[in-house]
Amino acid sequence: EVQLVESGGGLVKPGGSLRLSCAASGFTFSSYSMNWVRQAPGKGLEWVSSISSSSSYIYYADSVKGRFTISRDNAKNSLYLQMNSLRAEDTAVYYCARWADDRPSPFDYWGQGTLVTVSS
Amino acid sequence: DIQMTQSPSSLSASVGDRVTITCQASQDISNYLNWYQQKPGKAPKLLIYDASNLETGVPSRFSGSGSGTDFTFTISSLQPEDIATYYCQQYDNLPPLFGGGTKVEIK
Repeated sequence: EVQLVESGGGLVKPGGSLRLSCAASGFTFSSYSMNWVRQAPGKGLEWVSSISSSSSYIYYADSVKGRFTISRDNAKNSLYLQMNSLRAEDTAVYYCARWADDRPSPFDYWGQGTLVTVSS
Repeated sequence: DIQMTQSPSSLSASVGDRVTITCQASQDISNYLNWYQQKPGKAPKLLIYDASNLETGVPSRFSGSGSGTDFTFTISSLQPEDIATYYCQQYDNLPPLFGGGTKVEIK
């Protein structure tokens, strides 16, 4: 059974940093591209970042470019999101989501999400 | 960026009703269009991929159609457990944007 479990969320002050993790199991993690997708309270879904299976291709939404860094450790079956210079508008539930292939494709599995709150 | 316009933003229907949601892309995306269901407090779930393909395990009352710029998602007979917000999403180009969502409620 495919499982994605996020952790690392919490309350952080504006300008602060946070590192999210996603532990994957139940599939060959090293064969799939992975993503972070977020959802602000009461709002819709916003794609944040993608990373290919071997980390060769990395993409970011304009809203986080230069502040967030996606990475992965295939030996640990883990995905990460380093978030720096956090702003109030980054407050959201952050989901780890798998692409169905090692390229843009449907988000076929999602984690349960971890809440990030940016507030003074 | 390819913009996705989803309508309506909310709807109220009775159990057993046929429910239709539309999604329009700002440019041709072929069939690179997916539909997700999100229940309150839960993660989204893939229902339909590539415009019309039903994900494994998803009830057959859900269906999708369309290509190019205009797409339709249908629930043939609304059930109480279908109360959720539904999102379309394109993946023809990055960024893989989502539509604004349609909140489906029971009348």
